[in-house]
Amino acid sequence: GIQVEQSPPDLILQEGANSTLRCNFSDSVNNLQWFHQNPWGQLINLFYIPSGTKQNGRLSATTVATERYSLLYISSSQTTDSGVYFCAGSGGTSYGKLTFGQGTILTVHP
Amino acid sequence: KAGVTQTPRYLIKTRGQQVTLSCSPISGHRSVSWYQQTPGQGLQFLFEYFSETQRNKGNFPGRFSGRQFSNSRSEMNVSTLELGDSALYLCASSLAGQGPFNEQFFGPGTRLTVL
Repeated sequence: GIQVEQSPPDLILQEGANSTLRCNFSDSVNNLQWFHQNPWGQLINLFYIPSGTKQNGRLSATTVATERYSLLYISSSQTTDSGVYFCAGSGGTSYGKLTFGQGTILTVHP
Repeated sequence: KAGVTQTPRYLIKTRGQQVTLSCSPISGHRSVSWYQQTPGQGLQFLFEYFSETQRNKGNFPGRFSGRQFSNSRSEMNVSTLELGDSALYLCASSLAGQGPFNEQFFGPGTRLTVL
């Protein structure tokens, strides 16, 4: 099956800083999603981005499908951005089966 | 439109018991997937149901089972609970199909503690 590798595993920032999270896939995917897990455990959808670039406020994401990686950019970080960020993907006919990375733990200090 | 709902939110069981968790997908969504999250193993796929049929299955023992009803609601059952089954169980739904219909939306989870 698909392997997903996220980096960095931990990231500590001061409020206002920018950051880039990376996700590498071992094989091509037809579904790629980024999530933020809140302190209560719920996964919040950030982007559905199997290819191309999308932006939503201070967050943007880029997926280069041919090179099997995706990047999540967080600009002007705020303390509320703290938490765990996951990328996940599925390929072939495994539509309902997302394989998750190990996550990036982001801590933003005031 | 209401999101994915899961019941119960918290559950405490003892070893050897069985448990049933419930998931109601977003209205109109036909696919329901289940995941287990533990500190050691991260988020792992359990199984996916579409039109009342199991379409994909992860690498979990047969003690983990599920089903889907005609209204797309789904249940998962864990029999003969073990301490290692303590986890956050997450359910996700999607419209099912190709492209953006693939996007999964998650419920708040059921936190299961096995004593």
